[in-house]
Amino acid sequence: NAGVTQTPKFRILKIGQSMTLQCTQDMNHNYMYWYRQDPGMGLKLIYYSVGAGITDKGEVPNGYNVSRSTTEDFPLRLELAAPSQTSVYFCASSVGGGQGNYGYTFGSGTRLTVV
Amino acid sequence: AQSVTQLDSHVSVSEGTPVLLRCNYSSSYSPSLFWYVQHPNKGLQLLLKYTSAATLVKGINGFEAEFKKSETSFHLTKPSAHMSDAAEYFCVVSDRGYTGGFKTIFGAGTRLFVKA
Repeated sequence: NAGVTQTPKFRILKIGQSMTLQCTQDMNHNYMYWYRQDPGMGLKLIYYSVGAGITDKGEVPNGYNVSRSTTEDFPLRLELAAPSQTSVYFCASSVGGGQGNYGYTFGSGTRLTVV
Repeated sequence: AQSVTQLDSHVSVSEGTPVLLRCNYSSSYSPSLFWYVQHPNKGLQLLLKYTSAATLVKGINGFEAEFKKSETSFHLTKPSAHMSDAAEYFCVVSDRGYTGGFKTIFGAGTRLFVKA
């Protein structure tokens, strides 16, 4: 199984540009998450989804949007890129809420630079 | 309110010596606790988890952690470090929030260096 697949792995954006970070999982997990990782700050939750058609904001949702039309896919959209969005983005999925008893499965990340 | 504190931002050990990565937490309910490892330019991988069963938890690659409620700690240990253990380690607490949903908090991470 591929697990959680993120694309692209790297991207450089100019200020004001838009892009979509793709995330796909093949484990039939209901819960999916987007995190950003900044140096020395741990991971911060951007958005999460508890199932197809249901999404909700995390700690740092400003400047981002998500959709969940299928169980497998959970894309993250940046509409007007800003330098503050330079970060490494991780998609994750889990069987249950709050990681449950199983923990998260993470993708390998997307390193985004906004210049 | 939930929080998690990793007490060391960097830990350096020699190969073959013990590893101790410290984590303290606070939680209003009965938390689940996790340790993840992140190797350079990789995603996070689950090392081990505590979910209210045995307080001494064994994980992959020889790591283990002990849940101590009285000390609100969940320190990660390994008897003998290997060069391949060099990575960043995250302590994570997951608990039910006041509204009934879960809330998950990541520590800031501890970078482990292993010297030959």
